[in-house]
Amino acid sequence: QQQVKQSPQSLIVQKGGISIINCAYENTAFDYFPWYQQFPGKGPALLIAIRPDVSEKKEGRFTISFNKSAKQFSLHIMDSQPGDSATYFCAAKREGSTLTFGKGTMLLVSP
Amino acid sequence: EAEVAQSPRYKITEKSQAVAFWCDPISGHATLYWYRQILGQGPELLVQFQDESVVDDSQLPKDRFSAERLKGVDSTLKIQPAELGDSAMYLCASSYRGGPETQYFGPGTRLLVL
Repeated sequence: QQQVKQSPQSLIVQKGGISIINCAYENTAFDYFPWYQQFPGKGPALLIAIRPDVSEKKEGRFTISFNKSAKQFSLHIMDSQPGDSATYFCAAKREGSTLTFGKGTMLLVSP
Repeated sequence: EAEVAQSPRYKITEKSQAVAFWCDPISGHATLYWYRQILGQGPELLVQFQDESVVDDSQLPKDRFSAERLKGVDSTLKIQPAELGDSAMYLCASSYRGGPETQYFGPGTRLLVL
């Protein structure tokens, strides 16, 4: 049973556009929702994270939107740049457990 | 900037052989994780250590995989014997005591079993 479903599997966005990646979860006990960015040949790096007591968190060009009732959260990358081309993973965890990752979204930002 | 170190970066082996991966977490990080990442998938936890103790190895195939962190610092993950299906990226991560939210990942070891 996949506890965190991520879509789309891949995404192509023009430079300057908005990239949107979505995740849905099933376990209502999850209380921490991070996004990780992974470049080829590198390990994942924490990008931004949110807890369910807020509906949105913004850090620079990256924003997480969280919808608790729908059990969904999304990553928005504003003014997407070629350097943002990477694989993005959403994840979720509950108290006392470790992270459960989505399957990832390969983002390509075209120049 | 402190980083999680892993070696080797790449490993090619034949099935039925033994392989070992090493991880040195960020200094002061009491929690260490080993993940397996199959191409096109997200990382999946194999084992979690708190200091030298295993706190979660429920997803570790114990018939062939073993992990240790004898002095509570660096760690070794071993596979014996390796199987074709073990080909994957093996990632090590660490976090500060009590702070599993922010996990810092190493560059990984890419294993190819022939």
